[in-house]
Amino acid sequence: DAGITQSPRHKVTETGTPVTLRCHQTENHRYMYWYRQDPGHGLRLIHYSYGVKDTDKGEVSDGYSVSRSKTEDFLLTLESATSSQTSVYFCAISEDGNQPQHFGDGTRLSIL
Amino acid sequence: GQSLEQPSEVTAVEGAIVQINCTYQTSGFYGLSWYQQHDGGAPTFLSYNALDGLEETGRFSSFLSRSDSYGYLLLQELQMKDSASYFCASPTGTASKLTFGTGTRLQVTL
Repeated sequence: DAGITQSPRHKVTETGTPVTLRCHQTENHRYMYWYRQDPGHGLRLIHYSYGVKDTDKGEVSDGYSVSRSKTEDFLLTLESATSSQTSVYFCAISEDGNQPQHFGDGTRLSIL
Repeated sequence: GQSLEQPSEVTAVEGAIVQINCTYQTSGFYGLSWYQQHDGGAPTFLSYNALDGLEETGRFSSFLSRSDSYGYLLLQELQMKDSASYFCASPTGTASKLTFGTGTRLQVTL
């Protein structure tokens, strides 16, 4: 299995608080992605990175920011969490931007 | 933009064959992938079709027809462990970003 670790695995927090999710990879892959998964929507891309300090928006980027200061780490930040951001968040990596993408085990985030 | 349509649920008997269809509308097309996801688990890659035709990997096969904007995943000799959700997905634009279908939940019964 691809070496991808997401932390935390579960988090419950309150509306208006900042939240940061971490994705760590040991594969030295260039591309990293953040998706959210909600019932009835499948997986939707939030942001992705194609190298250190190189990021771009996905389909549902509003309310989220990302940073990648090292190849192995990709952080997703919710500056002021809202209940609509309650979801399961998956990180994925890809060696060269082509298929396949390898996914982490996900973070279940609940915002009350 | 991209949209991918799949049936929401499919039920099949252990040992049987099942086909999960995916139709897509895209502004640019870079191929069709399939991912499997068990309840509570992470999506895992099954197959990728960049060109028309059939790709076979063990009990699973995937087919693509670009002229029909259509693909399918074929699962043979179904086992109980195949009960999962299956997603078709297509890379967007620069081929780095995946757009997923809403998924097909497969229930394998005895």
